Amino acid sequence: QQQVKQSPQSLIVQKGGISIINCAYENTAFDYFPWYQQFPGKGPALLIAIRPDVSEKKEGRFTISFNKSAKQFSLHIMDSQPGDSATYFCAASISDSNYQLIWGAGTKLIIKP
Amino acid sequence: GAVVSQHPSWVICKSGTSVKIECRSLDFQATTMFWYRQFPKQSLMLMATSNEGSKATYEQGVEKDKFLINHASLTLSTLTVTSAHPEDSSFYICSAPTLNPRTDTQYFGPGTRLTVL
Repeated sequence: QQQVKQSPQSLIVQKGGISIINCAYENTAFDYFPWYQQFPGKGPALLIAIRPDVSEKKEGRFTISFNKSAKQFSLHIMDSQPGDSATYFCAASISDSNYQLIWGAGTKLIIKP
Repeated sequence: GAVVSQHPSWVICKSGTSVKIECRSLDFQATTMFWYRQFPKQSLMLMATSNEGSKATYEQGVEKDKFLINHASLTLSTLTVTSAHPEDSSFYICSAPTLNPRTDTQYFGPGTRLTVL
């Protein structure tokens, strides 16, 4: 019940296209859902995050869609660029859980020029 | 945003030696820090939660005597890999949450690549 399932494992998208990565969870106590971007040999960097009180959050080309009833959330990258090629992780946490994050398995995204 | 640094960024050591990795929150105080290890092409695996002024909390299967954690101040946590062996070779990453409960944002260090020969 603590798992966060992420798909796909890898994704290839043409430059300018839309990249979509999906995550699903079981624990309804989760109330914070961040996405992290990680480049090879670097630590993860927070990209965007959402709480269950909204269904969508947009920051530039990055959008999180959140479906509370389905217990799913997804990351959309619009106008994907080669510089977006990285591994993306979704995560979830409970606010009073000492901030511990439960991680998805990661998606390796490749944007073809 | 907040900055978390790690030192060193990479280290090579001989089997049997100990290695210390530092994690610092540069512009905020962190009563809690997390230590992860990450194997190639895998997700982050939480090793332990470092609490300032108290003992660390280790995840199941992580040897507390092998991975010593000290959180001596609100901006510094250290992970010491004692008697390192080749199987300890990995990418070690720390993170620290800001204290704003509404954001719950965790900031990650750049990671430390440990190679044990």
